[in-house]
Amino acid sequence: NAGVMQNPRHLVRRRGQEARLRCSPMKGHSHVYWYRQLPEEGLKFMVYLQKENIIDESGMPKERFSAEFPKEGPSILRIQQVVRGDSAAYFCASSPPINQNIQYFGAGTRLSVL
Amino acid sequence: GQQLNQSPQSMFIQEGEDVSMNCTSSSIFNTWLWYKQDPGEGPVLLIALYKAGELTSNGRLTAQFGITRKDSFLNISASIPSDVGIYFCAGQMGGTSYGKLTFGQGTILTVHP
Repeated sequence: NAGVMQNPRHLVRRRGQEARLRCSPMKGHSHVYWYRQLPEEGLKFMVYLQKENIIDESGMPKERFSAEFPKEGPSILRIQQVVRGDSAAYFCASSPPINQNIQYFGAGTRLSVL
Repeated sequence: GQQLNQSPQSMFIQEGEDVSMNCTSSSIFNTWLWYKQDPGEGPVLLIALYKAGELTSNGRLTAQFGITRKDSFLNISASIPSDVGIYFCAGQMGGTSYGKLTFGQGTILTVHP
C-alpha cells in the first residue's frame, strides 16, 4: 500500500513564475492537508481539503496561494507569482475518513525561488 | 495562532541513554501526536494519544497525554544511533480546528555511538 506521494521532490522557480505541487493521498484516504516548513522550524498548517471541498483554509496566505482536491486526480497546491519568501518545504498529509486525527505525511516538495 | 512549546530544543546523548522531551500549551488539545523527521524526508508518525492520562508505548518509545490535556511527553529508552533525527509533537484541538495539526518547534536528537 503506497504512502502519500508528492511530486516533484524538488522544484526551482524564478521570481514571478508559478509553482504547482501535487499530492496523491494514501489509498482509501479522502482527506488531504497541506503544511509548510521553513528551515529549522516546525510545520505550519495551510489548508484541509476533502474531495471537491475546502474544509479549512485558515492557514493559507490570502493572495497567490490556492489549493484544490478534484474528484479525480491528485490534490494541487498552486503558488502564483512566487517570491523568495515562498522558498520552503511543502508537505502533504492524508487521513482515512474514519479517523481524521491521524495524518500520514509525504516526503515533501522543496521549493527554491531564485 | 496556537503555540506548542517543545523542549529541549536539542539533545546530545550517548548510545544507550534514555531520552525525554515534552510539549506544553496554553490551550487544551483533544489529540496528541509524536512524529520523527529525518533530513530531507517527511514526518513519520510514532505514537498517537487520544485521552487525558493515556500512556502508550511503541517499542522503546513511550508517550503520555497529560491529565490537563495541555501537555505531553515522549521518552526513548536505550537510545541507538538510528534514533537520530528531529522529533515533533503535534496537537489537534477539535471543534472548528478539526483536522488542523499544530506542531511544536522540534527537538533535535544526536546520539553518539
